[in-house]
Amino acid sequence: QVQLQESGPGLAKPSQTLSLACTVSGDSINSGRHYWSWIRQPAGKGLEWIGRVYKSGKTYYNPSLNSRAAISVDTSKNQFSLRLISVTAADTGIYYCARESYVSAAGSNWFDPWGQGTLVTVSS
Amino acid sequence: QSVLTQPPSASGAPGQRVTISCSGSSSNIGTNTVNWYQRLPGAAPTVLIYSINQRPSGVPDRFSGSKSGTSASLAISGLQSEDEADYYCASWDDNLHAQVFGGGTKVTVL
Repeated sequence: QVQLQESGPGLAKPSQTLSLACTVSGDSINSGRHYWSWIRQPAGKGLEWIGRVYKSGKTYYNPSLNSRAAISVDTSKNQFSLRLISVTAADTGIYYCARESYVSAAGSNWFDPWGQGTLVTVSS
Repeated sequence: QSVLTQPPSASGAPGQRVTISCSGSSSNIGTNTVNWYQRLPGAAPTVLIYSINQRPSGVPDRFSGSKSGTSASLAISGLQSEDEADYYCASWDDNLHAQVFGGGTKVTVL
């Protein structure tokens, strides 16, 4: 059974950097069969995809984050991480990590499974 | 304001059929596939339907997905109390270059 678990501080100060990690069990990031993504739900808003990373370290980000996000991978720990710089109160919300499956020929990709999510509050 | 538009709520009695709509545009649903996620109270989202109408193993066939033009739908037949949850649609948007989601629909079993 594949499981993902987010970890990291639940509180960040405005203008500082938010750092989260996602540890994967039951699957290997190094297999190359999937992408690994971060998704968030800002307080009072809908779900927002942040970006993805592949085993090689290749990344793709949601342009709406204005280059504030950085996702990295550590295959030796079977873990991937998110750094979000210059945070504001608008970045407060639940952050999820998820495994992303895809079928290139069909232009289809989906998230399964997701981690339980971790609440991050940006406040001084 | 979510890119994909869903009704905020839907309800039905046990055994009834409930349909949730997801409205998009030519740059997302009109061109790409649609996925549906279920988030039970206090739990993480799980994929319910992927690639418009595909059910992962373990998802009951009471759940079905469809797409027409720039809209998609999720149907729940034989509604059960355990179906009370939030449901989200999602698709890739070619203009925004990002995966986009609907705002979510809260399903209540009366």
